[in-house]
Amino acid sequence: DIVMTQTPLSLSVTPGQPASISCKSSQSLLHSDGKTYLYWYLQKPGQSPHLLIYEVSSRFSGVPDRFSGSGSGTDFTLKISRVEAEDVGIYYCMQGIHLPWTFGQGTKVEIK
Amino acid sequence: QVQLVQSGAEVKKPGASVKVSCTVSGYNLSEFSMLWVRQTPGKGLEWMGTFDPEDGETIYAQKFQGRVTMTEDTSTDTAYMELSSLRSEDTAVYYCATGTSYWGQGTLVTVSS
Repeated sequence: DIVMTQTPLSLSVTPGQPASISCKSSQSLLHSDGKTYLYWYLQKPGQSPHLLIYEVSSRFSGVPDRFSGSGSGTDFTLKISRVEAEDVGIYYCMQGIHLPWTFGQGTKVEIK
Repeated sequence: QVQLVQSGAEVKKPGASVKVSCTVSGYNLSEFSMLWVRQTPGKGLEWMGTFDPEDGETIYAQKFQGRVTMTEDTSTDTAYMELSSLRSEDTAVYYCATGTSYWGQGTLVTVSS
């Protein structure tokens, strides 16, 4: 199975400051169709995960533009340009190309 | 707007089966694939399988092969995930998700004697 490794596992951020989460996959996530199937989710406390970013860098409907995704191949990054209180929760990356689809272990973001 | 509403929490004994439903609104079930994912404290998020309405095929994670069945009733826009031969390690919150986008609220399944 593809291993998705996220770092750091936890992050404490001052509101208004940037934050960055890394996700590395054990194999390339580039499909023969030219797309890279890497997704980012946020699970707020007591809620189900919701999609932030799909195919590395496309923001899902309604996601604020302070969230951005980048990367290629096996190395990916989620950046929050200015963290807000509502951004607390656990962030997961997921690969959707190799079976079984797999998730990172999660990065817990809290506000200082 | 798109909503996925799942059935309520279940408590099952080891060896039993559980069937979780997921009713969608805001789109037709047959338009997008349906994922099932479970979340446990120990193993985090695990993809269980995907039903693709385009070809009618279901792909199951090998880990659950033989124990899981994913079906859909397009007349009621409801998807189902049935897991059999339950053991204590199957205690988890089970989610349906449309494609990779919208998720249901989750269904807690507790397996205990």
